Amino acid sequence: SQKIEQNSEALNIQEGKTATLTCNYTNYSPAYLQWYRQDPGRGPVFLLLIRENEKEKRKERLKVTFDTTLKQSLFHITASQPADSATYLCALESDYKLSFGAGTTVTVRA
Amino acid sequence: ETGVTQSPTHLIKTRGQQVTLRCSSQSGHNTVSWYQQALGQGPQFIFQYYREEENGRGNFPPRFSGLQFPNYSSELNVNALELDDSALYLCASSRQGSGNTIYFGEGSWLTVV
Repeated sequence: SQKIEQNSEALNIQEGKTATLTCNYTNYSPAYLQWYRQDPGRGPVFLLLIRENEKEKRKERLKVTFDTTLKQSLFHITASQPADSATYLCALESDYKLSFGAGTTVTVRA
Repeated sequence: ETGVTQSPTHLIKTRGQQVTLRCSSQSGHNTVSWYQQALGQGPQFIFQYYREEENGRGNFPPRFSGLQFPNYSSELNVNALELDDSALYLCASSRQGSGNTIYFGEGSWLTVV
């Protein structure tokens, strides 16, 4: 069966450190992988999209890698700030829809 | 601000009732998708509409139905509400095709009692 698994534990890190989130998937062949941020009670906000033929993508303090052989994506927040505290969702785009993981909650301590 | 507007923001319904949720998509976006997000879970795809036709459906029963209007706005209707339908319902708009940025609304919180 198809599965998307993100870090099962919440991540607590010190301000200024790098947060690394993992997204593993099975039985998918996604053309694209996307990362979203979701604050409590709000809708998801698009952060980054990476294509299957791209290894790495960066946007400001965010970096995403995509390994279709390992079926894994890593999401890095460098120089983290308390404002980065949120739940981060990994989503695979296949056909016409997004399939999401359950998300990883990140808390950045000042 | 994503430009995707949903209403109502919160509502409470009784088991067995029917509900209609509404979504205005971002200007220029011709595709609307609906997702259900239970507490602590990721969003689950319900269905997608493109040019007023259903363009794909997730694993949801027929009592979940939808509409898309000529101005690309959309409705989600749920009949015979069950307690497990309590969730955040998200509308997402985009241009048709893969790899386009998808913009989500803030969602409609539905509680079924």
